[in-house]
Amino acid sequence: AQSVTQLGSHVSVSEGALVLLRCNYSSSVPPYLFWYVQYPNQGLQLLLKYTTGATLVKGINGFEAEFKKSETSFHLTKPSAHMSDAAEYFCAVSENSGYSTLTFGKGTMLLVSP
Amino acid sequence: EAQVTQNPRYLITVTGKKLTVTCSQNMNHEYMSWYRQDPGLGLRQIYYSMNVEVTDKGDVPEGYKVSRKEKRNFPLILESPSPNQTSLYFCASSNQGGHGYTFGSGTRLTVV
Repeated sequence: AQSVTQLGSHVSVSEGALVLLRCNYSSSVPPYLFWYVQYPNQGLQLLLKYTTGATLVKGINGFEAEFKKSETSFHLTKPSAHMSDAAEYFCAVSENSGYSTLTFGKGTMLLVSP
Repeated sequence: EAQVTQNPRYLITVTGKKLTVTCSQNMNHEYMSWYRQDPGLGLRQIYYSMNVEVTDKGDVPEGYKVSRKEKRNFPLILESPSPNQTSLYFCASSNQGGHGYTFGSGTRLTVV
């Protein structure tokens, strides 16, 4: 069985500060890991994904995440927050790239202040 | 444009009145799935389908039905909606190959 834990339901940062959103997973098989973003009143947009290969994954809008197997983590970072980054972020895990259940964390709301 | 289309976007209905939320994808994806999103709970899977005529329960299937008669369509049926089914619903589709899942824009359902 898979599960995802996102530490912190809300994270507040100032514009220009580092963004760090934490995600830990459990999986009985090598995981495929995803980060999605949801802007208010919109659907989910894929930020980035890890399948195999390089453990540092770069996504859209300047975000990146690093897969650390020993820590079962896939934390999302961005060096400098922008007001437009304010949204809810979901970490998710599946057993393969797109042919099995995608299990989500409960989400982290990112608040960006001027 | 590759997309997953859900209808309606918003729906208010009364307890017990059967309703269907439609989902259609134009990417020839084999895998389709329904999720509900509730505050503080994230997204939870209701049902999924790995191909035509193949469906299975997710984590929260009670009170829902699905069908997969065609590859592109995966409607969600609430035979007798209840207020605890008030939620935001998302349809998603995917294929093998590492491209991830494509989500629809969501259907906000209110059952009064």
